[in-house]
Amino acid sequence: EVQLLESGGGLVQPGGSLRLSCAASGFSFSSYAMNWVRQAPGKGLEWVSTISGSGDSTYYADSVKGRFTISRDNSQNTLYLQMNSLRAADTAVYYCAKARVAYPNSWFDPWGRGTLVTVSS
Amino acid sequence: EIVLTQSPATLSLSPGERATLSCRASQSLSSFLAWYQQNPGQAPRLLIYDASNRATGIPARFSGSGSGTDFTLTISSLEPEDFAVYYCQHRYNWPLTFGGGTKLEIK
Repeated sequence: EVQLLESGGGLVQPGGSLRLSCAASGFSFSSYAMNWVRQAPGKGLEWVSTISGSGDSTYYADSVKGRFTISRDNSQNTLYLQMNSLRAADTAVYYCAKARVAYPNSWFDPWGRGTLVTVSS
Repeated sequence: EIVLTQSPATLSLSPGERATLSCRASQSLSSFLAWYQQNPGQAPRLLIYDASNRATGIPARFSGSGSGTDFTLTISSLEPEDFAVYYCQHRYNWPLTFGGGTKLEIK
């Protein structure tokens, strides 16, 4: 069974940094692209970033480009999201999601339970 | 950026009724569209991918149709657990985007 467990969320001040992690199990981690998707409180879903299975290719939403960095450690089956220069608008639940098939622009299946990031002074 | 517009924003129906949800794209997606279900306090779940393929474990009462710019999610006979928020999403190009969602509520 595929399991995705996010961690690292919390309260951070505007301009601060945070690193999210997603521990994966139950599948061949390095064979699949991985994604971060966020959801602001009471709002809809927003794709944030995708990384290929090898880690060679990365993709970002314009809203986070230049501030967030996605990475992965295939030896540890772990996905990361380094978030810098955080803004109030970045407040959201951040979900880790596996690509349904190997290529990066795939469907999100399954999803982790999410970790809440709150940016506030 | 491809914009996905879902309608209606809210749909009020009773258990046993048929639900029809719409997703319209700002440009052609071929069949590169998926549907997700999100229950309160839970993560989204993939229901339909490539416009009409049910994901693993999804009941047959859920079906998807459409291509190009107009897509439909149909729930043939609503069960109590189907009352949730539904999102469409494309993977035609970058950035990947979601629709604003349709809330399916009990009438």
